Amino acid sequence: QKEVEQNSGPLSVPEGAIASLNCTYSDRGSQSFFWYRQYSGKSPELIMFIYSNGDKEDGRFTAQLNKASQYVSLLIRDSQPSDSATYLCAVTFSGTYKYIFGTGTRLKVLA
Amino acid sequence: DAGVIQSPRHEVTEMGQEVTLRCKPISGHDYLFWYRQTMMRGLELLIYFNNNVPIDDSGMPEDRFSAKMPNASFSTLKIQPSEPRDSAVYFCASSPRTGTDTQYFGPGTRLTVL
Repeated sequence: QKEVEQNSGPLSVPEGAIASLNCTYSDRGSQSFFWYRQYSGKSPELIMFIYSNGDKEDGRFTAQLNKASQYVSLLIRDSQPSDSATYLCAVTFSGTYKYIFGTGTRLKVLA
Repeated sequence: DAGVIQSPRHEVTEMGQEVTLRCKPISGHDYLFWYRQTMMRGLELLIYFNNNVPIDDSGMPEDRFSAKMPNASFSTLKIQPSEPRDSAVYFCASSPRTGTDTQYFGPGTRLTVL
């Protein structure tokens, strides 16, 4: 069973702090990794994708991938109350084009 | 671009009735995905198509569910007969053939089966 695991939270951080969200996956052959944000009652929207080991930065967001340890993380710098949402990790497994989603981590940024 | 379009946005029906959900993918996208999201099980892939052909339907829960894609701009997900446990939000997503494999989600259909 191919799995993607996330802590469901809620993760509470004060405004302006760094929020760190983590995701582990079971298939060593996984190739593509995605972070989606989902506000309550809305559809998932892509924040970032990452393919290679290391860090990838986009504005306040940084994705980190460690294939040897089979985890991917998302850092949100200078967290804002508007960042409060559920963050979904998605992984494509080797030999397939489909995503497997984690159950999501609920983030609360406290003003 | 209008993005992925889904209809209806909300559907309330009674157990045993047929339900049809509709999706129009982003023009030029070759992949189309149907998902179901519930609090208990999260976001689950039901089926996906490539160039209108079903590639993987292993997530379709049972024979009451069926999906079609008669052309590149339209897909349906049908539940017949519907049951209360089918109540969920159903998302359609599309993805281009090349590039980053990124999937773009529609607004979803919230289905309630009484």
